[in-house]
Amino acid sequence: GENVEQHPSTLSVQEGDSAVIKCTYSDSASNYFPWYKQELGKRPQLIIDIRSNVGEKKDQRIAVTLNKTAKHFSLHITETQPEDSAVYFCAASNYKLTFGKGTLLTVNP
Amino acid sequence: KAGVTQTPRYLIKTRGQQVTLSCSPISGHRSVSWYQQTPGQGLQFLFEYFSETQRNKGNFPGRFSGRQFSNSRSEMNVSTLELGDSALYLCASSLEGGHKTGELFFGEGSRLTVL
Repeated sequence: GENVEQHPSTLSVQEGDSAVIKCTYSDSASNYFPWYKQELGKRPQLIIDIRSNVGEKKDQRIAVTLNKTAKHFSLHITETQPEDSAVYFCAASNYKLTFGKGTLLTVNP
Repeated sequence: KAGVTQTPRYLIKTRGQQVTLSCSPISGHRSVSWYQQTPGQGLQFLFEYFSETQRNKGNFPGRFSGRQFSNSRSEMNVSTLELGDSALYLCASSLEGGHKTGELFFGEGSRLTVL
């Protein structure tokens, strides 16, 4: 089955800096790669996703890149703000979603 | 449109007991998935139901089971509870799920504590 590795497990940045979270997947048949944000005590919510026919997707301060050959994808957050502090999960899917173990991002004011 | 509703939100059980958790998906969503969330382990897939049929299953023991009703509401059951079953159980619904995986809408979860 699919295996998703996510790094780093914790990330601390200063407000205004950029943050990058990286994930690798094992199943070359996976074709859908979403990112979920979970604030403390809240439910996970989709923030951005990308399908395998696209190499990059951007939504305001958030971007995701996908390298199918290397089987890895990354989340980029620019101009980080304290409200970006949360746990971020990547996931990969062919027929079911497999999540990474999450990255705790802390943005220090 | 109402979101995904999970009940109960919190419960405490003792080892050996069983528990049933309930999930009401967003109206019109036919796929319901269940995940176990524990610190450091992320979201681990339990199973997915679509039109009352289990379509996918994760790597959990047979003590974990589920079902889906004709109105798409789903229940999961854990029998013979163990201490390691203490976790947040999240339900998520989507329009199609499976090979047409799109956005999952999560409930707030049921936090199970096993003593």
